[in-house]
Amino acid sequence: GDSVTQMEGPVTLSEEAFLTINCTYTATGYPSLFWYVQYPGEGLQLLLKATKADDKGSNKGFEATYRKETTSFHLEKGSVQVSDSAVYFCALYGSSNTGKLIFGQGTTLQVKP
Amino acid sequence: DAGVTQSPTHLIKTRGQQVTLRCSPKSGHDTVSWYQQALGQGPQFIFQYYEEEERQRGNFPDRFSGHQFPNYSSELNVNALLLGDSALYLCASSTGLAASFSYNEQFFGPGTRLTVL
Repeated sequence: GDSVTQMEGPVTLSEEAFLTINCTYTATGYPSLFWYVQYPGEGLQLLLKATKADDKGSNKGFEATYRKETTSFHLEKGSVQVSDSAVYFCALYGSSNTGKLIFGQGTTLQVKP
Repeated sequence: DAGVTQSPTHLIKTRGQQVTLRCSPKSGHDTVSWYQQALGQGPQFIFQYYEEEERQRGNFPDRFSGHQFPNYSSELNVNALLLGDSALYLCASSTGLAASFSYNEQFFGPGTRLTVL
């Protein structure tokens, strides 16, 4: 079945450092791909998305490119802030349209001043 | 405009008991999905409701059941609670049925933290 694998955390960075969180997926067909963020005590918020190969999703300085050849959707940010500290989830919505999002296990990011 | 709301925020139950969690979707949304997020894990899909019927279901036992009301709000019921049911339960709302061949963004609530002792 469809699945998502993320790099294990926690990831600890200093403010203004470059961030990469790796995400790879397994799916049939052409899934849509997402990054969600979960701040402490809050629900999931959609950070960015890409619906077809080579699409680049971007929001709040974060970017991710849908790479079908490597089945990847790595999250990047050029300069992280303390306020970016959260848990990040990579997810896919399969082309079989089952109504469900399939999530990775999450990566905790801690940014220190 | 209120987003997705869930109640209660926290809940403590003992093994064997039953629990009901509630969700009100975002205004204008008619579809509700429920997810279970165990500690340190990503959310896992339980089921989805549309037009007061369960439309899709994940790999969860029959102890997990739900309901959707005419105002689109929803309940998640879990019977015969097990220690392993301890988790954050997330509700997500969206518009339209899943089988529309396009992804309709799911908006998540803050969740209900269930602890089973």
